[in-house]
Amino acid sequence: QKEVEQDPGPLSVPEGAIVSLNCTYSNSAFQYFMWYRQYSRKGPELLMYTYSSGNKEDGRFTAQVDKSSKYISLFIRDSQPSDSATYLCAMRNTGFQKLVFGTGTRLLVSP
Amino acid sequence: SAVISQKPSRDICQRGTSLTIQCQVDSQVTMMFWYRQQPGQSLTLIATANQGSEATYESGFVIDKFPISRPNLTFSTLTVSNMSPEDSSIYLCSVLVATDTQYFGPGTRLTVL
Repeated sequence: QKEVEQDPGPLSVPEGAIVSLNCTYSNSAFQYFMWYRQYSRKGPELLMYTYSSGNKEDGRFTAQVDKSSKYISLFIRDSQPSDSATYLCAMRNTGFQKLVFGTGTRLLVSP
Repeated sequence: SAVISQKPSRDICQRGTSLTIQCQVDSQVTMMFWYRQQPGQSLTLIATANQGSEATYESGFVIDKFPISRPNLTFSTLTVSNMSPEDSSIYLCSVLVATDTQYFGPGTRLTVL
């Protein structure tokens, strides 16, 4: 079993839709959770960074962490064609900088 | 954040040869890392590049195959040695900034024939 599971997609939505991206994990020691966006032939770009459980909002993006269920989510409101990319979840333990990634979900937003 | 550049951006190499990838950051950073992103797989940490000492390798990665240098706080190199087609991948460097988050370079796309 992988430490972090993420549906590879692709997830296709129309412009303006609310998108929900999710990851599950098995290591209860993970305390820091990140979402990266990766456009084709580019490096990952940090979108959201949260610590422990709870919600964090930044513009159209909301990150949720439910440590009791070992489940994290990224919501994108009013999705745009420019949001079409692969979204990677990542997480790590306290005191360690090694990031453990999901395989990424490819998102396609059609005009 | 930090501005990170990598050279080369892509290369096609022959089996048995070696390639050195460079990573340059626009500011001094304490920690630099090298990751591999194989098709359909998650990013995997190869090693942590330590300034002034030997790199720290993750399980499954060895110094003979992936020698790393870090001569100062803004620069690191990763060499992929004695390449085989299984080494075809995207290689990414990342840096840890003061906000305790990692930022990634644009990646080097390697194809081994």
